[in-house]
Amino acid sequence: GAGVSQSPRYKVAKRGQDVALRCDPISGHVSLFWYQQALGQGPEFLTYFQNEAQLDKSGLPSDRFFAERPEGSVSTLKIQRTQQEDSAVYLCASRRDGETQYFGPGTRLLVL
Amino acid sequence: AQRVTQPEKLLSVFKGAPVELKCNYSYSGSPELFWYVQYSRQRLQLLLRHISRESIKGFTADLNKGETSFHLKKPFAQEEDSAMYYCALSPAGAGSYQLTFGKGTKLSVIP
Repeated sequence: GAGVSQSPRYKVAKRGQDVALRCDPISGHVSLFWYQQALGQGPEFLTYFQNEAQLDKSGLPSDRFFAERPEGSVSTLKIQRTQQEDSAVYLCASRRDGETQYFGPGTRLLVL
Repeated sequence: AQRVTQPEKLLSVFKGAPVELKCNYSYSGSPELFWYVQYSRQRLQLLLRHISRESIKGFTADLNKGETSFHLKKPFAQEEDSAMYYCALSPAGAGSYQLTFGKGTKLSVIP
């Protein structure tokens, strides 16, 4: 079946621009996660949804980062007024309760 | 706070040689440990988890709580094992969800 999909796969933004990154989880997966992976680093947790509820946003680095999942399926990670330090790969993952996380291919964001 | 350390950024071995990718962790409670792998131009995927105690693609990993380690081992490396390997930790328990990753080790198997 279809795995987790993310769009766009690549995004170049000018500093100060707003961006929106989309994640389509595996159908039926209740839990959805966002991670940020900087160059040469492992993925770092940003936020977690169970259905439409955002249960943990402790990893969001600043109030410029906002995530939503209004209908408990597709999720969007929005970054306002992008900065160069926001350049990274943004990974989305989904899972059924208690099972392993399945990762998407990631969106590579470059802020110039 | 939990932390995962992978001391080697890059590990090169010859085909047929044994492989050991090191992972140490720091966590005050009872952890669940994982190894994830990312092959070239592919997405991150689970390789194995300690609670399943299974061997995947010839790889095994044993959780050593005394040494707080979860090293990944394979007796004979294959060229197709070349990839990035990430060790990850999650608090054990039904409601746990947050994965903490190490920085990763790039394994290069020389033909």
